[in-house]
Amino acid sequence: NAGVMQNPRHLVRRRGQEARLRCSPMKGHSHVYWYRQLPEEGLKFMVYLQKENIIDESGMPKERFSAEFPKEGPSILRIQQVVRGDSAAYFCASSLDMSGNTIYFGEGSWLTVV
Amino acid sequence: AQTVTQSQPEMSVQEAETVTLSCTYDTSESDYYLFWYKQPPSRQMILVIRQEAYKQQNATENRFSVNFQKAAKSFSLKISDSQLGDAAMYFCAYRRNNNDMRFGAGTRLTVKP
Repeated sequence: NAGVMQNPRHLVRRRGQEARLRCSPMKGHSHVYWYRQLPEEGLKFMVYLQKENIIDESGMPKERFSAEFPKEGPSILRIQQVVRGDSAAYFCASSLDMSGNTIYFGEGSWLTVV
Repeated sequence: AQTVTQSQPEMSVQEAETVTLSCTYDTSESDYYLFWYKQPPSRQMILVIRQEAYKQQNATENRFSVNFQKAAKSFSLKISDSQLGDAAMYFCAYRRNNNDMRFGAGTRLTVKP
């Protein structure tokens, strides 16, 4: 039973390029969350999605960042025109439903902007 | 907004001894869930223990237990018989229904042999 799968694990982009991070939730999970972790800091909530719907994007920067969770396929976190400050670990998590059921995390995607 | 505070940026414990990590949170809700996650150097987030706010009994998982004080909004983690593999960042987290999980800033635990 595969856990939350994230890819790529490591991604290097030049300033101004686009970064796409993918997340496949655990089997049967329809709720996906994205978090960002800057070096030496805790996880900051970015966005909460269900299939084809964005439930809460209050932690998402207003510009350059977008997320989707289509009916088929993985959830995608997209960062356009990346800047050095976007360098961070991006964690995806999934849960079975919207209750207090545990959120399970992927191993993270490390974005480095050079 | 809910906030989670971990007041100890770093803690140290001798192998085989007991250590307690502190966490307080702020909420106006009565029904919610609390978690402790461990993040070793591999950076993977690993669930350590979970507590439902409606349960008075403190959760326990082997060497890990919590002291949940709902009125004080406190949720500390006790690690007994500390092992070298317990060395990691520990994050306290809060979640209520139909909402995402919010994390504290973390406590870095060092285990001395």
